[in-house]
Amino acid sequence: AQRVTQPEKLLSVFKGAPVELKCNYSYSGSPELFWYVQYSRQRLQLLLRHISRESIKGFTADLNKGETSFHLKKPFAQEEDSAMYYCALLKSADGLTFGKGTHLIIQP
Amino acid sequence: NAGVTQTPKFRVLKTGQSMTLLCAQDMNHEYMYWYRQDPGMGLRLIHYSVGEGTTAKGEVPDGYNVSRLKKQNFLLGLESAAPSQTSVYFCASSPLEGGGSYEQYFGPGTRLTVT
Repeated sequence: AQRVTQPEKLLSVFKGAPVELKCNYSYSGSPELFWYVQYSRQRLQLLLRHISRESIKGFTADLNKGETSFHLKKPFAQEEDSAMYYCALLKSADGLTFGKGTHLIIQP
Repeated sequence: NAGVTQTPKFRVLKTGQSMTLLCAQDMNHEYMYWYRQDPGMGLRLIHYSVGEGTTAKGEVPDGYNVSRLKKQNFLLGLESAAPSQTSVYFCASSPLEGGGSYEQYFGPGTRLTVT
């Protein structure tokens, strides 16, 4: 069965510092991975898809099949990045398997 | 476009009562999903639908039923609510292209408390 692990419940960094939110997965097939973000009092929204290989709001994430990881990175954190971040894995159309989430707090 | 909407936003039930949560989307999406979000657990898939008239079980389906009679609506039913069903429920939809691998669009959530 697929599983997504986000080892940090809470991550606090200072504004301007680099950010890395960790995500590891287990899945026997070829994974499709996503990062979703939930800002305070807003609905969950897509941040990144690994197949897009894009940078959104300065965030990037690289799929490392050898390490089964999909860590989310940003070189310089901004206060507006404070939010809950969820890593998710998709198996066909059967819905997403989410990690438990990491609460990112950016301190001024 | 309203996107994905959920009704109601909040509800308090007594143990044993029943209720239906309504999800509606106006994006003509084929796939629809119901998740529950619990502290420290992330989001877990309850049921999903890959098209009108079809439903399937997700990770935590027990105690819930669903129906997709119209493409734009996906209903989640609790026949006999239990305190363990206290949670925030999210509905999501996704287009047909890519076999569901495109972005899922989420509703604002329904906060349900069962006493």
